[in-house]
Amino acid sequence: KQEVTQIPAALSVPEGENLVLNCSFTDSAIYNLQWFRQDPGKGLTSLLLIQSSQREQTSGRLNASLDKSSGRSTLYIAASQPGDSATYLCAVRQTSYDKVIFGPGTSLSVIP
Amino acid sequence: EAQVTQNPRYLITVTGKKLTVTCSQNMNHEYMSWYRQDPGLGLRQIYYSMNVEVTDKGDVPEGYKVSRKEKRNFPLILESPSPNQTSLYFCASSPINSPLHFGNGTRLTVT
Repeated sequence: KQEVTQIPAALSVPEGENLVLNCSFTDSAIYNLQWFRQDPGKGLTSLLLIQSSQREQTSGRLNASLDKSSGRSTLYIAASQPGDSATYLCAVRQTSYDKVIFGPGTSLSVIP
Repeated sequence: EAQVTQNPRYLITVTGKKLTVTCSQNMNHEYMSWYRQDPGLGLRQIYYSMNVEVTDKGDVPEGYKVSRKEKRNFPLILESPSPNQTSLYFCASSPINSPLHFGNGTRLTVT
C-alpha cells in the first residue's frame, strides 16, 4: 500500500531564506507527483506537477524535483517571503487504479 | 472562468438525514474525485471517477456513494450520515494524468 510522508512536519524560517521541503513515497508506480499549498481553512492551490518521466519542474521561485527510483521529491523555495506561510502538501497519483494519495503536509511559517 | 464548484460551503445536519454535496466542473475534465480532510489524518480520497458511468473506491469509501451521470457533475451522497463523517470535504477534477483542480471545500457537521 502506498504511503506518503513529508519532512519536516513544521518549519519556521526568517524571511529571505531558501528552504527545502521533502516528500517520500513507498511505491514508485506513479503517474505523477503534485505539490499544493493550503492556507488555513481554505482550499488547495496547485503549485507544480511533475510527471513520472520528468526530473524537475520550475515556476518562479519554486522548483520541484522527482527521483522516482528512490521515492523522493523535494520542493525548493527560494528567497522565502511571509506570504509563503501555509501548509504544503504533496500528492502522488498511482498507476494502479489511478488513486491519489496525499502526504500529511509541512506547515511553513516565514517570519518577517 | 475555469473552476470546480462545490455546494454547499457549510452544512450542519443530524444523524441519519440523507444529504448530497454537489460538485460541478466546467473544464470538460475526465477525472473527478472526492476527499475528506481531518486533523491528524490529512487528506484521504473517498471516491474517484475516470469518466461518465465509471466510479471507483478510494481509501475511505464506507458510508458514501457517488454517481457520474454527466461529465461535469460528481455528487457525493451520504445516505445516513453519522458524527464520524463530520469533516472538510473537497472535490477535484483534472484531465487524465494532469494537475488536479480543487473546489473550495464543504464543511460538514453531523450532530
